[in-house]
Amino acid sequence: DSGVTQTPKHLITATGQRVTLRCSPRSGDLSVYWYQQSLDQGLQFLIQYYNGEERAKGNILERFSAQQFPDLHSELNLSSLELGDSALYFCASSAFSGGQETQYFGPGTRLLVL
Amino acid sequence: SQQGEEDPQALSIQEGENATMNCSYKTSINNLQWYRQNSGRGLVHLILIRSNEREKHSGRLRVTLDTSKKSSSLLITASRAADTASYFCATYPSDSGGSNYKLTFGKGTLLTVNP
Repeated sequence: DSGVTQTPKHLITATGQRVTLRCSPRSGDLSVYWYQQSLDQGLQFLIQYYNGEERAKGNILERFSAQQFPDLHSELNLSSLELGDSALYFCASSAFSGGQETQYFGPGTRLLVL
Repeated sequence: SQQGEEDPQALSIQEGENATMNCSYKTSINNLQWYRQNSGRGLVHLILIRSNEREKHSGRLRVTLDTSKKSSSLLITASRAADTASYFCATYPSDSGGSNYKLTFGKGTLLTVNP
């Protein structure tokens, strides 16, 4: 158990709909990262938040948005869903040791868009 | 784009044998990390090797890093059925748009350890 929690574990929805995925980082971690994992694209970095502020952006679609709240939990909002958005979505939080950063992943949310 | 590329894509061995997976990357890095993912589950951090390190051990894991060849290898000794998983290398590339926070993963090696 990494200490990172994600809800829900599974989500089934229809095209055009909007969903919200939730992540709570490990206690004390200020950074939250979101990743998408699909069979064809592999594991893709989406976005990072640090202490409530957006820090880095990756391959995140305009239909997707995220935020990090004062209690440091984060939400990833996916709208106008398409079949191709079906994937595993992971969040991770990170810790530094000796100047090097290690990320700790949650169990993921499996999204199926029908 | 993928920074790390694992080789082989799939590996099947018998329990007790050693498993070696390789990772090649394209740009200079701060560190390289290996993660394990059991089927459909979250990634678990295994080991981090810094760019100024050449070899690192953790239990049955041995990681090497050759920055001149931009490659790394992960050796699992005396494999067990429970080692069956996908293994990913991940790097912080220097061309990550000025951000040091974009961990870039390869597509992974699927290791199957047969009992």
